[in-house]
Amino acid sequence: AQTVTQSQPEMSVQEAETVTLSCTYDTSESDYYLFWYKQPPSRQMILVIRQEAYKQQNATENRFSVNFQKAAKSFSLKISDSQLGDAAMYFCAFFYQGGSEKLVFGKGTKLTVNP
Amino acid sequence: GAGVSQSPSNKVTEKGKDVELRCDPISGHTALYWYRQRLGQGLEFLIYFQGNSAPDKSGLPSDRFSAERTGESVSTLTIQRTQQEDSAVYLCASSFWDRPNYGYTFGSGTRLTVV
Repeated sequence: AQTVTQSQPEMSVQEAETVTLSCTYDTSESDYYLFWYKQPPSRQMILVIRQEAYKQQNATENRFSVNFQKAAKSFSLKISDSQLGDAAMYFCAFFYQGGSEKLVFGKGTKLTVNP
Repeated sequence: GAGVSQSPSNKVTEKGKDVELRCDPISGHTALYWYRQRLGQGLEFLIYFQGNSAPDKSGLPSDRFSAERTGESVSTLTIQRTQQEDSAVYLCASSFWDRPNYGYTFGSGTRLTVV
């Protein structure tokens, strides 16, 4: 079974600075998808960024980018120019189509943004 | 609808009572998922629907938990004889059946408190 590990329960960053959240996963599959979701206090999970494992190019969405290291099974999220609204729980998730057909989540990292 | 709708938003119940949690997915999303999120924890998979059938119920923690879906639309998660350990946020998500690898759209969840 696939597992996702987020080793940083909490992180903090100064407004306008850059922070990187770590995620590692375990799978024997070669074709899969990885996601970062943000969960603000409103509880709604918001998709931040998505990576297809067969693509070597790292995904980017505005201030959010990933460092995808397939051999190392690592998928970190970099947030540039951090804003107060970025404060939230961030969850890394794994999906393999053809397997369990469900997203598997890590335990999350709580990000605090200091003004 | 425009988004995934869950009701009630919050529910307080006495130990031993039954509760029903409702999820209205995005119109046209035939795949529907239920997750449980205990305080400070990640998302724990409960059950997955494809149309009105549930190919994967592996996450339901006990026979007190059941779920159904009708009309390839609304889903209800029922917890019988609630226990204090059932206290959690219950999140519902939906996706197109052929594009779960694009990520799910989540609702805002139901916070269940068993007293």
